[in-house]
Amino acid sequence: NAGVTQTPKFQVLKTGQSMTLQCAQDMNHNSMYWYRQDPGMGLRLIYYSASEGTTDKGEVPNGYNVSRLNKREFSLRLESAAPSQTSVYFCASSEDWAAGNTIYFGEGSWLTVV
Amino acid sequence: DAKTTQPPSMDCAEGRAANLPCNHSTISGNEYVYWYRQIHSQGPQYIIHGLKNNETNEMASLIITEDRKSSTLILPHATLRDTAVYYCIVRVAMEGNTPLVFGKGTRLSVIA
Repeated sequence: NAGVTQTPKFQVLKTGQSMTLQCAQDMNHNSMYWYRQDPGMGLRLIYYSASEGTTDKGEVPNGYNVSRLNKREFSLRLESAAPSQTSVYFCASSEDWAAGNTIYFGEGSWLTVV
Repeated sequence: DAKTTQPPSMDCAEGRAANLPCNHSTISGNEYVYWYRQIHSQGPQYIIHGLKNNETNEMASLIITEDRKSSTLILPHATLRDTAVYYCIVRVAMEGNTPLVFGKGTRLSVIA
């Protein structure tokens, strides 16, 4: 069982380039999330989607856009990459965003902006 | 959501119990305590959660003090594979609340 799948796993971008991180879950979850994790730091929430058709900003949304394409897929786009966006990106999903629901994470996407 | 305080790092001998503390002195009555862990470079993994009563599952036990101002995650027989960063998170259990917010956690090193 795949769970949460992210692509690509590794990417190097030049400053100013754009790219989209793809995420898909096969657990029929309503809620999906994008986090970033910088070296030695905890996870910080970028954007989330409580349900299909809705998206909301998290702690650090600047420089990113998201699309909840359908119930399964939630993509994260960097329109003009900056070195400060070098990080590991984690996509996650949960049944919904109410009480006690476990959040399941993907394996991460390593992004380097040079 | 209430703030949590965890020690930055801990060591534990392999085969012994690992007891990871978390302080959440401002917790309110409807906030759950969640524990996740992150093994190096992987996505975080859910461990356990609870509201008032102690909880146990196949991975760990969660002990919450009677006043709910602190809790302890117990890994009964730590192995080298339990080396990870452990996150204690407090969150209100209601629809419309924001998703889990992760702090810096406790880095547990299990030593052979």
